[in-house]
This record gives sequence, structure tokens and C-alpha cells, in this order.
Amino acid sequence: GAVVSQHPSWVICKSGTSVKIECRSLDFQATTMFWYRQFPKQSLMLMATSNEGSKATYEQGVEKDKFLINHASLTLSTLTVTSAHPEDSSFYICSNWLWDTEAFFGQGTRLTVV
Amino acid sequence: GENVEQHPSTLSVQEGDSAVIKCTYSDSASNYFPWYKQELGKRPQLIIDIRSNVGEKKDQRIAVTLNKTAKHFSLHITETQPEDSAVYFCAASRRRGNEKLTFGTGTRLTIIP
Repeated sequence: GAVVSQHPSWVICKSGTSVKIECRSLDFQATTMFWYRQFPKQSLMLMATSNEGSKATYEQGVEKDKFLINHASLTLSTLTVTSAHPEDSSFYICSNWLWDTEAFFGQGTRLTVV
Repeated sequence: GENVEQHPSTLSVQEGDSAVIKCTYSDSASNYFPWYKQELGKRPQLIIDIRSNVGEKKDQRIAVTLNKTAKHFSLHITETQPEDSAVYFCAASRRRGNEKLTFGTGTRLTIIP
């Protein structure tokens, strides 16, 4: 069954508005959540790593003030895309590890900014 | 940082034939190499992985080989079936467990019935 639950699966928003994406760890606690972005027909690129109780670590070129990450509990990490623009339209997907077995991915969120 | 290259970007094979996808990586500290299958609009699914202390691993029709000296690893799918059609990504990380993954650019595999 699913290890990571991500919501919403898709969202359409207007330019300038904010969108929040949630990822929940099911049946276990995850201190770390990895957030990836995938543009159409492209690969998954790591945006940031969230850690429970501390600040997220952002990859080079990712604006931390635009992509707000919160990891307030061991089972919930959120990504908020602030002041969204059409170029932010993408497939956002979270991932965490079930101990040291394998990385599991959320269902992904298809964001379309109009 | 790590850089993973993947070839080919597209691959079409006749049903029943074999498919091979190759990846190279740059970080000699990488020790874990998973392969994912992703269908359109879906999450990546792990199909096989290999750690650096092993040169080859097989699971039914799927096998992965690793040459750590040359920093390349390959996915082999034998007796291909239409349901194998998808996008396949290789990835690398320093260890298996709570570590970021660096993905290859992906291969769109099409199985021709």
C-alpha cells in the first residue's frame, strides 16, 4: 500500500495566488521529506529537503521565499507555492524513505497556473 | 554534485525482444542505484536497485549491472511485453536510506506488439 499520501493530485490556480501541497507519511514517522519537481517530459529535480523541527534545505536556484516548506510534525510536510506564475506549472512530488529499504513517492500534484 | 546521464532518451523494441538502458554517474561516493518506472501522470515505482558492493542483480525479466570503476550501470529487460511501455529513470545516491536521489534524464520505452 501507499507509504506517502500527497494532496491534492491536481490544482488549477490563478497567477499571483498561493497553493499548498501536503504530504503525509502513513504508518511511520519520517524526519525527512524530499520535494521534487518534474516539468513535462523531463526528469525529477530535487527542490528541497525538509526536516522535522528545523529549516528546510533548498537546492541551488530554488527560491526559498517562493517555495515555502514546513515540516511541523513527523507525519506531515507541506510545500506552499507563493505568488504562483505560469512558469511554476509543473508536477510536484514528495518522497521519503521507509527506513533504509527504498524511497517512496507521493502521488504527485499537477499544478497549473493560469 | 552528482550528475547522472541516461541513454537513450527513446527506445522502441518489438514485443519479446530485449531492451537495454544505460546510465553514467559522476560522484564516486554514490553507492546506491535504483531504477524507476513511471507511467504518465503517476508516481515513480521502484523496479530494481543495486548497491555498489554488487555487480549484478536480477529479478525475473529485469536485471541491473553496475561497473563502479567506470561509473556506469545498465537496466536490462528481457522478453518485453506491452505493459513494459513507460518512462524509465535511473538514479544515484550516496546510500540507501534517507538520502536525496539524483535522477537521469529518462528513457521512453515503447514496446511494439
